[in-house]
Amino acid sequence: DTAVSQTPKYLVTQMGNDKSIKCEQNLGHDTMYWYKQDSKKFLKIMFSYNNKELIINETVPNRFSPKSPDKAHLNLHINSLELGDSAVYFCASSPRAGGPLETQYFGPGTRLLVL
Amino acid sequence: QKEVEQNSGPLSVPEGAIASLNCTYSDRGSQSFFWYRQYSGKSPELIMFIYSNGDKEDGRFTAQLNKASQYVSLLIRDSQPSDSATYLCAVNTQNTPLVFGKGTRLSVIA
Repeated sequence: DTAVSQTPKYLVTQMGNDKSIKCEQNLGHDTMYWYKQDSKKFLKIMFSYNNKELIINETVPNRFSPKSPDKAHLNLHINSLELGDSAVYFCASSPRAGGPLETQYFGPGTRLLVL
Repeated sequence: QKEVEQNSGPLSVPEGAIASLNCTYSDRGSQSFFWYRQYSGKSPELIMFIYSNGDKEDGRFTAQLNKASQYVSLLIRDSQPSDSATYLCAVNTQNTPLVFGKGTRLSVIA
């Protein structure tokens, strides 16, 4: 059974389009995250939700909007896609935020290419 | 701004040798320290975490923490070619999220 799953795995789209990435975890964790990993492989946090509440919102363009319908799901919607949005987007979850229980488990990633 | 610094590498070691990966962090209040491994094209996977000063061993891996020097390291004994990957250090406090370093690329040469 996949612990943290993301769909789609690959996403190729044109500039200006709107797209969504979905994430689900079946670990019973309280906290979920979205990360962006660019071509230089730097893993940068974008958002974090704890029990459906937004707890981290890093400096991310407001074209990116996360939504957590329940604590097992965290989706990412991106409006007006730009070339610089091309990256791998990872979803992750942890039992809780902060401390040693923030052991994060990552999904397989969504490779987004904006043309 | 909390920072986690790692040498980007590549760090090349011969098969069977000990690989030593290092990480320094800026926030003296940091409490938990994690090592992740990421193979090319894959997602990061947890190797181990440590939160007390000293050494913590798990199989061929040993994490070492020195809070006074704000330094955490990962030793890989008997390195194998399958250990070739990027190793990410991550640090947090009780109330703040993980901050990842940029990773060290390890290459184990057969």
